[in-house]
Amino acid sequence: SQQGEEDPQALSIQEGENATMNCSYKTSINNLQWYRQNSGRGLVHLILIRSNEREKHSGRLRVTLDTSKKSSSLLITASRAADTASYFCATALASGGYQKVTFGTGTKLQVIP
Amino acid sequence: EAQVTQNPRYLITVTGKKLTVTCSQNMNHEYMSWYRQDPGLGLRQIYYSMNVEVTDKGDVPEGYKVSRKEKRNFPLILESPSPNQTSLYFCASSSQGRTTAFFGQGTRLTVV
Repeated sequence: SQQGEEDPQALSIQEGENATMNCSYKTSINNLQWYRQNSGRGLVHLILIRSNEREKHSGRLRVTLDTSKKSSSLLITASRAADTASYFCATALASGGYQKVTFGTGTKLQVIP
Repeated sequence: EAQVTQNPRYLITVTGKKLTVTCSQNMNHEYMSWYRQDPGLGLRQIYYSMNVEVTDKGDVPEGYKVSRKEKRNFPLILESPSPNQTSLYFCASSSQGRTTAFFGQGTRLTVV
């Protein structure tokens, strides 16, 4: 399985601080995505980084990808209480004409006001 | 509004009683998938479909069936539910050539 593993499993920070979550995976990939899930709700896509990219930004989000180490990180800067959620990485790899997407186990982020 | 709609949102049933969870998307996406989410295990793919009448097993297909008779619908069928199928289920869709998935709001299933 190429399932990603997020680290840490849980993270608690004060509002205004930066939050960093890491994802490691096992096989080669076409791209890696990060999703956010509010408690008990569906996942929402945040950002996608392709295998030939090293860094990508979107608003307060910064994603890095190191394919040699098979790892990615998600940085949320100047966190807000509304950022409290679980964050999942998902790796995509073409398999038989289909891009199989495999999700990690998630990091639960709590931002304390 | 672009969306993936699952029904029901919550379901409590008894062991062995067949049930169907519906999923519908209005984005004309080719790809649809079902996942189950369990604590500590993340999301695991049950089945996926690349287009109408094309379905295949994911990582945890045992005890589930799917069908894709129309592009917009992808129901998940549990012929004989068991307590180990108690979980939070998500349907997702994406367009061909893209991996960004749109998720439904989830169905929380309890089998007693």
